[in-house]
Amino acid sequence: GESVGLHLPTLSVQEGDNSIINCAYSNSASDYFIWYKQESGKGPQFIIDIRSNMDKRQGQRVTVLLNKTVKHLSLQIAATQPGDSAVYFCAEIKNFGNEKLTFGTGTRLTIIP
Amino acid sequence: NAGVTQTPKFQVLKTGQSMTLQCAQDMNHNSMYWYRQDPGMGLRLIYYSASEGTTDKGEVPNGYNVSRLNKREFSLRLESAAPSQTSVYFCASSALWGTGNTIYFGEGSWLTVV
Repeated sequence: GESVGLHLPTLSVQEGDNSIINCAYSNSASDYFIWYKQESGKGPQFIIDIRSNMDKRQGQRVTVLLNKTVKHLSLQIAATQPGDSAVYFCAEIKNFGNEKLTFGTGTRLTIIP
Repeated sequence: NAGVTQTPKFQVLKTGQSMTLQCAQDMNHNSMYWYRQDPGMGLRLIYYSASEGTTDKGEVPNGYNVSRLNKREFSLRLESAAPSQTSVYFCASSALWGTGNTIYFGEGSWLTVV
């Protein structure tokens, strides 16, 4: 079946450095991608999203890049802080207007003080 | 503003027992969802409701039933709990995608079936 997968299950980054979390997706027809952050014992929180007709979107300290040619999504976090330590999930929506998200396994990001 | 509220937070059930997880949202969202999350995994959709009065199966609906009681509330019922249903359950809601809104999640309900 179709899936959204992650290259690395864990990532450790020095505080203040930039981090990049990668995600591969298999459905080339997906319309919409979202990155979520999940802290221990909490529900996922929206970070940033991107539609399939874009290749880059920036937020506050975060940037999402979409490469449709190789079906790859990445989340860049600039100047990482201890509060960035969490599990990060990418999720896809196959059809815009159909609100069923498909989640990847997740990457655990640890910020080293 | 409470957002998405789900109860109970923790529950232990014996195999074969039944229970209902409650969820309510105060954001006037049309769509509501139930997901489960197993250790080290992403979330998988159990059921969703695009609007009041409608429900639809997600990826893993077997062993569950849902009720969209009104626009605010969406409950998940386990009629005969099994150990395989031990998981963390998340309720979520969203407005129409055309507005660019996203899905907001509750804090989770930890369910253990022994």
